[in-house]
Formats: sequence, structure tokens, C-alpha cells
Amino acid sequence: EPEVTQTPSHQVTQMGQEVILRCVPISNHLYFYWYRQILGQKVEFLVSFYNNEISEKSEIFDDQFSVERPDGSNFTLKIRSTKLEDSAMYFCASSSRRQVISSGANVLTFGAGSRLTVL
Amino acid sequence: DQQVKQNSPSLSVQEGRISILNCDYTNSMFDYFLWYKKYPAEGPTFLISISSIKDKNEDGRFTVFLNKSAKHLSLHIVPSQPGDSAVYFCAASADGGSQGNLIFGKGTKLSVKP
Repeated sequence: EPEVTQTPSHQVTQMGQEVILRCVPISNHLYFYWYRQILGQKVEFLVSFYNNEISEKSEIFDDQFSVERPDGSNFTLKIRSTKLEDSAMYFCASSSRRQVISSGANVLTFGAGSRLTVL
Repeated sequence: DQQVKQNSPSLSVQEGRISILNCDYTNSMFDYFLWYKKYPAEGPTFLISISSIKDKNEDGRFTVFLNKSAKHLSLHIVPSQPGDSAVYFCAASADGGSQGNLIFGKGTKLSVKP
């Protein structure tokens, strides 16, 4: 079954450092997303990406964050200058359509996540 | 500002019995609801969804009920199996079921005991 793959599985970094989290979405999917989950908290939407541009972003996704699809397969999340509060599990997801349909066939498929620890 | 609330952080159920996971929401603009299941060290995986025009959707052992007037939905698992032990997230979508900006609850950890 196709899956979304994320690397690294765990990254430890010093506050102020730049971090790039990488994702390979499912090959025929067109919509890409980043979510994050701070330990013990809910999963939160960060950004959605379609047709090589951001289609929606949350308040969390400030100027320190950026996303890119540098080639036909990878989708990256960059945090320019990490803060302690950026420590979280970051999930990449992809879907074939923007809208959910009743069968659920085109719902988001999530990767296993990248755990970011900022010291 | 918790638009989607799962008030029970955990639930323990005996194998073979029914598991009922609850979710409340505050935003009347939500028109699609999804349940995701998450095992440790894995990402959330889709379980079942329901449109706001329906009040019930069933898929095998899993049934989701939606009570729009109460802004409440529940996931029923019958019969529960030890493999169902996971964290269950309720998520909601507005704008015709758009998957951009799903709003998640905090999750309920289900433990199914043999």
C-alpha cells in the first residue's frame, strides 16, 4: 500500500538552528500538508500546498516556517531559527483531492512523523 | 480555543464489548467529521468519516453517529479487539469537507483488554 515517508524520524537541534524536515508524499497525490503535535496536545494544522504554492496556512506557520517542493517527489518543511516551543512531532500528509468524499477514499494519508527536539 | 473536544483522555474496555468514543464540537460551520486512529511511532490513519447531512455511517465494526443539534459525535467499535488499542482522534472540516486545516481533538487513548 502506498505510504508517505518522512525523514529524519528524530532530530535534535540547538535553539536558533535551521532544520529541514523531509517528506515523500504518495506519488499521484496533488495536495500536501504539514501538521504537528506537541507532546500531549492535539494535532495542529500548519500548512497546505497545492500546485507549487501555499493554499492555506495557520497562525502557527509564521515567517520562521517555509515549505518547498524542490523536485517531483520531495516536500520539505524548513524552520529557519528553531525555538524551544517548536519541539513537536511533525506529520506530513498528502491527498489526491482537496475535498473529502463520502467513501473516505481520498482522505489524508499521514506519514509516521519526524520528532523534533529543540534544546 | 478548542473547537473539537475529546473530553476523555483514556478509555479501557474488555475485549468483545463495545467501545464508545465521544467528541464534541463548537463550530456549526463544520460539515465533515473524521476519525483517525494512531498507533505509537506511526502517523494517524483514517478510520471512518461522516458528512453533516447524515447521522450515521457504518463500516464493519465501526459506526460513527452524529448529533448535529447537540454538536456531538461518537465512534462505536463493536466488538472491541485488543488490536483496536490506540489513540483515536476526532477531526472536523469546514468548507465542503476541505482537508486543508482539519481541526483535531486531543485524542482518546483506548485500551482493549483481553
